[in-house]
Amino acid sequence: GAGVSQSPSNKVTEKGKDVELRCDPISGHTALYWYRQRLGQGLEFLIYFQGNSAPDKSGLPSDRFSAERTGESVSTLTIQRTQQEDSAVYLCASSLVAFSTDTQYFGPGTRLTVL
Amino acid sequence: GQNIDQPTEMTATEGAIVQINCTYQTSGFNGLFWYQQHAGEAPTFLSYNVLDGLEEKGRFSSFLSRSKGYSYLLLKELQMKDSASYLCAVCDSNYQLIWGAGTKLIIKP
Repeated sequence: GAGVSQSPSNKVTEKGKDVELRCDPISGHTALYWYRQRLGQGLEFLIYFQGNSAPDKSGLPSDRFSAERTGESVSTLTIQRTQQEDSAVYLCASSLVAFSTDTQYFGPGTRLTVL
Repeated sequence: GQNIDQPTEMTATEGAIVQINCTYQTSGFNGLFWYQQHAGEAPTFLSYNVLDGLEEKGRFSSFLSRSKGYSYLLLKELQMKDSASYLCAVCDSNYQLIWGAGTKLIIKP
């Protein structure tokens, strides 16, 4: 595609519910990244994929968070049993390859609000 | 630990020049990025520096001093549309991007 796309753009959910956030990277980009950005704060790195593999999951905030990627394309970030502190914008980015200085291109983000 | 420092907020006047500083302490260095982020939007790439010196790109220039762990983004002929947050990010020895908290730039007429 022309750019990174994410869906939904906005998600409002009740505390305790599960949510799935989707990211479609730029076609041909083998690396995909997930970040969290709380209001007025910087980017918090969550996880990256090289191909369909996520070598390091230590950035995920808790075991309620999981992510997967299939077909070296679309990725989903799942948050189980959402808490109010999960409210943030979740940004996805992609680049040609990981372990490089390739520029990361960002999607528009999903704004998650947990009531 | 790894640390990126930027001023939280800066104010400048339309038509003027502003310099946004970034200092870093990271485990290794494989380049420094500047991104622009308008409120409610995704960050967009501005520049990448890996060698010392100044790189100019239109109204925007970025400078790097690796020995000092220091970079700045220089914006000339400021326009109202330049009101945004400017994020500094360093690529460490593991090629992971370490992000600063960003500098909110407010442009006044």
